[in-house]
Amino acid sequence: EVQLVESGGGLVQPGGSLRLSCAASGFTFSAYWMTWVRQAPGKGLEWVANMAERERGGETNYVDSVKGRFTISRDNAKNSLYLQMNSLRAEDTAVYYCARHRVGGREVEFWGQGTLVTVSS
Amino acid sequence: EIGMTQSPATLSVSPGERATLSCRASQSVTTKLAWYQQKPGQAPRLLIYNAFTRATGIPARFSGSGSGTEFTLTISSLQSEDFAVYYCQQGYNWPWTFGQGTRVEIK
Repeated sequence: EVQLVESGGGLVQPGGSLRLSCAASGFTFSAYWMTWVRQAPGKGLEWVANMAERERGGETNYVDSVKGRFTISRDNAKNSLYLQMNSLRAEDTAVYYCARHRVGGREVEFWGQGTLVTVSS
Repeated sequence: EIGMTQSPATLSVSPGERATLSCRASQSVTTKLAWYQQKPGQAPRLLIYNAFTRATGIPARFSGSGSGTEFTLTISSLQSEDFAVYYCQQGYNWPWTFGQGTRVEIK
């Protein structure tokens, strides 16, 4: 059974940093694109960043609003995905979902339960 | 960035009736279009990918159609568990983008 468990969310002041983690199990982690998608309270979904599987050299993509502030990374030996978030802003407040792409696809097939990040003074 | 527009914002349907949800892209996304269902307090669930292919375990009452800029998700006979918010998503150009969602509520 595919499982994705996020951790690391919480309350942080504007300008602060936070590192989200996602522990993956039930599949060959290194073989899949992985993604972070966020959802502000009461709002829709926004793709934040994704990262390619090992065979594609770990290519990364970011939405413009987080470029230069967020870094996605993965540790295939630990079956883990990360999102380092720096220079956080109020508008980054959201539930952050760790997610696995469908094999060879550009959509999310499996989602974690999400972790809430609140940026506020 | 490709904009995705969903209509209507809210759809009121009686159980057993047919629901038709629309999604329009600001430019062609060929068939790189997915649909998701999200219930309150839950993560989204993939329903349809590549415009018309049902994801694993999705009931046959869900069907997708369209290509280019116009897409439709049809739920042939609404069940109680289908009342939720539905999002479309394009995977043609990065950044992949979602529509704002259509809420399907009980009439």
